[in-house]
Amino acid sequence: AQKVTQAQTEISVVEKEDVTLDCVYETRDTTYYLFWYKQPPSGELVFLIRRNSFDEQNEISGRYSWNFQKSTSSFNFTITASQVVDSAVYFCALGTSYDKVIFGPGTSLSVIP
Amino acid sequence: DSGVTQTPKHLITATGQRVTLRCSPRSGDLSVYWYQQSLDQGLQFLIQYYNGEERAKGNILERFSAQQFPDLHSELNLSSLELGDSALYFCASSATGTPNSPLHFGNGTRLTVT
Repeated sequence: AQKVTQAQTEISVVEKEDVTLDCVYETRDTTYYLFWYKQPPSGELVFLIRRNSFDEQNEISGRYSWNFQKSTSSFNFTITASQVVDSAVYFCALGTSYDKVIFGPGTSLSVIP
Repeated sequence: DSGVTQTPKHLITATGQRVTLRCSPRSGDLSVYWYQQSLDQGLQFLIQYYNGEERAKGNILERFSAQQFPDLHSELNLSSLELGDSALYFCASSATGTPNSPLHFGNGTRLTVT
């Protein structure tokens, strides 16, 4: 069965702190795809990144970085020097050969000025 | 702007009624997905279409149905509405409908059943 777990329901940090959002997934597929999406207070869901199961290279994009580790089935997301605009709900998602993308429960991040 | 259009933005209706939610995918995208987002159940996958055909089905109730038309827009029909159906309904589209294809979401339709 496919499953995505985001154990952190809510996180609160002070602006400029670094924060890591955890994501653990389960799948029996050897080929799969992991995603992060952001849902700001305005409500729309925005795609951030995709990672393939056969590519364990970490990725950095500005203040965002992603750490993919197959050995622990984790795909964690770090925001460096957080800003108020980072306040949002962040969803980790898993796409497999079953042709549907399932989402984790989300982590609500509040960045306090 | 994702390019995915959902109408209406808000819908308030009574129990037992039927409503239709509409979605126009991003230009060039062939696949449409419907998700339900509620506070207690998170983002739940309902159904996916690809080029007019049903591709995958999730936890969609029998009271709910959907279709994708030849012009690729999609409609989600919710009938015999219950209080528990109150939620934010998202439509998303992707180019290929395959698991590696990022989803582009609309702004959602907020359904309130009273």
